[in-house]
Amino acid sequence: QVQLVEFGGGVVQPGRSLRLSCATSGFSFYTYPMHWVRQSPGKGLEWVAGTSYDGSKKYYTDSVKGRFTVSGDSFKKTLFLQMNSLRAEDTAVYYCARGRNFHDSSGPDYWGQGTLVTVSS
Amino acid sequence: QSVLTQPPSASGTPGQRVSISCSGSSSNIGTNIVNWYQQLPGTAPKLLIYSSNQRPSGVPDRFSGSKSGTSASLAISGLQSEDEADYYCAAWDDSLNGYVFGPGTKVTVL
Repeated sequence: QVQLVEFGGGVVQPGRSLRLSCATSGFSFYTYPMHWVRQSPGKGLEWVAGTSYDGSKKYYTDSVKGRFTVSGDSFKKTLFLQMNSLRAEDTAVYYCARGRNFHDSSGPDYWGQGTLVTVSS
Repeated sequence: QSVLTQPPSASGTPGQRVSISCSGSSSNIGTNIVNWYQQLPGTAPKLLIYSSNQRPSGVPDRFSGSKSGTSASLAISGLQSEDEADYYCAAWDDSLNGYVFGPGTKVTVL
């Protein structure tokens, strides 16, 4: 069955970098869009970044453009989120999610369990 | 400030019907499909409704969705205690070139 497992969260100082990984299984990587969605403590869901089904297009929310980069490794079937110049407001649980079909606009269906990123000095 | 608008809360007694609205614009709901997600306390979100009115396998038919113009709605009929959760509408936004979530609606079973 489809499984998504996030790794790499932790406590990091403001201005530093962190890379999140999302190990996938149960489906062919680069045949579905992929998403990163975050949730700050006590707040709602916020879409952060995504890729097209084949990884050729990358999309970002305005607040992370120029700081975050989404990428994938089809051999390892893993999605990454490189986060640079981290800010306190980036503190959140980060979820990896798979798009429901090959359309970029289909939205996530399967979700990982999330990994917590805390940006604090 | 989300581009999709939802009421912050909704409530009902067991067995009642609860409806949640989601208002958007021509660049998101007016053009693209709407999904609804359920998030139980302490868990990851779960896809509840896709393509505005379709239920994934395993989702009870008590949950239904609809869309008209730039608005969508989620209805829960025969409300049960296990339906206490946060519910989010979401859609792709062509102007923002990204996916957007509504602020969420907390459903309480009285």
